[in-house]
Amino acid sequence: SQTIHQWPATLVQPVGSPLSLECTVEGTSNPNLYWYRQAAGRGLQLLFYSVGIGQISSEVPQNLSASRPQDRQFILSSKKLLLSDSGFYLCACLPGLAGGGFFGPGTRLTVL
Amino acid sequence: KNQVEQSPQSLIILEGKNCTLQCNYTVSPFSNLRWYKQDTGRGPVSLTIMTFSENTKSNGRYTATLDADTKQSSLHITASQLSDSASYICVVSPRASGTYKYIFGTGTRLKVLA
Repeated sequence: SQTIHQWPATLVQPVGSPLSLECTVEGTSNPNLYWYRQAAGRGLQLLFYSVGIGQISSEVPQNLSASRPQDRQFILSSKKLLLSDSGFYLCACLPGLAGGGFFGPGTRLTVL
Repeated sequence: KNQVEQSPQSLIILEGKNCTLQCNYTVSPFSNLRWYKQDTGRGPVSLTIMTFSENTKSNGRYTATLDADTKQSSLHITASQLSDSASYICVVSPRASGTYKYIFGTGTRLKVLA
């Protein structure tokens, strides 16, 4: 079955510290992978998507970056976190017509 | 501009009652429309997916309908249960070559009371 793993589940970081969130996918190959951020009580904001290894499209020009070193691995990073980076980060695999797509369990990031 | 709007923003119903959530979209042309359920603090889980040529899709007590002419979709929940308390998100996928962006609605927050 298709599964997305994300870690860590929760993270509390000081402003200005670096960030690395990891997402790995099982049960599928050549997935289209996405990073979303969700503020409390709000909708999902697309941050990055990737259609293959080394291919990253950025939707939000902020202090975040993404990398895809392997087919089923997607990493979200920052060199210096801002207070506004706090939120719930979701990794997703959203194919075209083949099924409804699936999301990881999310990472709750709090920047203090 | 491609947009997805959901209504109501929030809804409270009693256990056992039915409810219908609405989704209006301006995405055109579109490939498919999905409904997701998101429990608090969890990732969304797919409920239904419909292509532009489908009118209805069921998943247990959840039934989604689609009217491509009016660009409206609804999610009907039958005999609600306490576990149905969650946010329900409508997502539309544009039909365009090389487009991988999914348009998310802001969701309807459903609360089912005993």
